[in-house]
Amino acid sequence: DVKVTQSSRYLVKRTGEKVFLECVQDMDHENMFWYRQDPGLGLRLIYFSYDVKMKEKGDIPEGYSVSREKKERFSLILESASTNQTSMYLCASYSGGQRTEAFFGQGTRLTVV
Amino acid sequence: SQQGEEDPQALSIQEGENATMNCSYKTSINNLQWYRQNSGRGLVHLILIRSNEREKHSGRLRVTLDTSKKSSSLLITASRAADTASYFCATLLKSSGDKLTFGTGTRLAVRP
Repeated sequence: DVKVTQSSRYLVKRTGEKVFLECVQDMDHENMFWYRQDPGLGLRLIYFSYDVKMKEKGDIPEGYSVSREKKERFSLILESASTNQTSMYLCASYSGGQRTEAFFGQGTRLTVV
Repeated sequence: SQQGEEDPQALSIQEGENATMNCSYKTSINNLQWYRQNSGRGLVHLILIRSNEREKHSGRLRVTLDTSKKSSSLLITASRAADTASYFCATLLKSSGDKLTFGTGTRLAVRP
């Protein structure tokens, strides 16, 4: 079974802290994604990566950065956490191509106080 | 801005009835996918339809795609209480990588 593992299920951080959210996949997928999910807004794409060290901004990249040093790991970084970044963060991986599906981690619920 | 928007935002039906959810999107796509999410957990893939396909079936699911109207619908037939979940459409757009963008979702409640 494909596994996408997010390092924390729940996280509480203080305003101004640098926060790292880690995501690891075990299926050698090329593409990895970070989304945030907020009530009524669905899933919004923050960043995605299609290869090691390759990344593209999604729809809401402000306040975030990412790192992909190894194929299996995609990290989301909140440079200086703010209360409006309190949200559920979902990581996904995707092998690419016309017939494939994305696999999701269980999510990290981040609270910034 | 959101690529896809689902309609309705919420739907409540009786067990055994059919549920129809619609998705509209903005740009040309390579494929469209539907996912299900149970109560704040990760999403699970349901069905994929490519841009050159018009209809696809999988068990009790039927998906249609109209690229001229940039819209898709998901029909769940003979619904069960276990179908209660949120449903999202996602569009795949090939840029330098595969950009997978989700809509706002439909919350489905199936009453026993």
